Amino acid sequence: DMKVTQMPRYLIKRMGENVLLECGQDMSHETMYWYRQDPGLGLQLIYISYDVDSNSEGDIPKGYRVSRKKREHFSLILDSAKTNQTSVYFCASSLAGASDYTFGSGTRLLVI
Amino acid sequence: GDQVEQSPSALSLHEGTGSALRCNFTTTMRAVQWFQQNSRGSLINLFYLASGTKENGRLKSTFNSKESYSTLHIRDAQLEDSGTYFCAARNNAGAKLTFGGGTRLTVRP
Repeated sequence: DMKVTQMPRYLIKRMGENVLLECGQDMSHETMYWYRQDPGLGLQLIYISYDVDSNSEGDIPKGYRVSRKKREHFSLILDSAKTNQTSVYFCASSLAGASDYTFGSGTRLLVI
Repeated sequence: GDQVEQSPSALSLHEGTGSALRCNFTTTMRAVQWFQQNSRGSLINLFYLASGTKENGRLKSTFNSKESYSTLHIRDAQLEDSGTYFCAARNNAGAKLTFGGGTRLTVRP
């Protein structure tokens, strides 16, 4: 079954703690993405990864960094989480070039 | 930057009826993807179009790149169609999908 898997599904962290969100895909897609969704809004792009160690900032990269050491894994890291980073984070993947996205089920992060 | 304007923002339908959702783009887009976000928050891929029209069951989507819009038609709406529908479009420059603000659809008995 081709899918994008995100872990964990739910996470509560205190302000200032480090946060690691993990994403995996089993479709050998070259391109992977991290988005966040806030209440009543669409999704905003944080980072794109075009392949291993080939990452680019999206529209709202401030406060985040990413790591892609294997094609099938893409991590989002929050160093010193802030309350305004409370959100639902979605990972997605696609083939390079014109191709549809497959999204994971999301990670709901609460920073208190 | 690229803008994706989605309308209406909210829609209420009685079971068995239908309607259309629309997305307008402020720049030339090369592809559009439609998603349903269900009650659990998962994004379900409905359609991916680089041009023309696709149909799947009670759903039909059209993408007109030249006139910068896409539509999603729902017919014979069912209760399980309730949720938020998003369109997202990819421009000619790269891989990024830009999302519209969504249409919250409520289907009533």
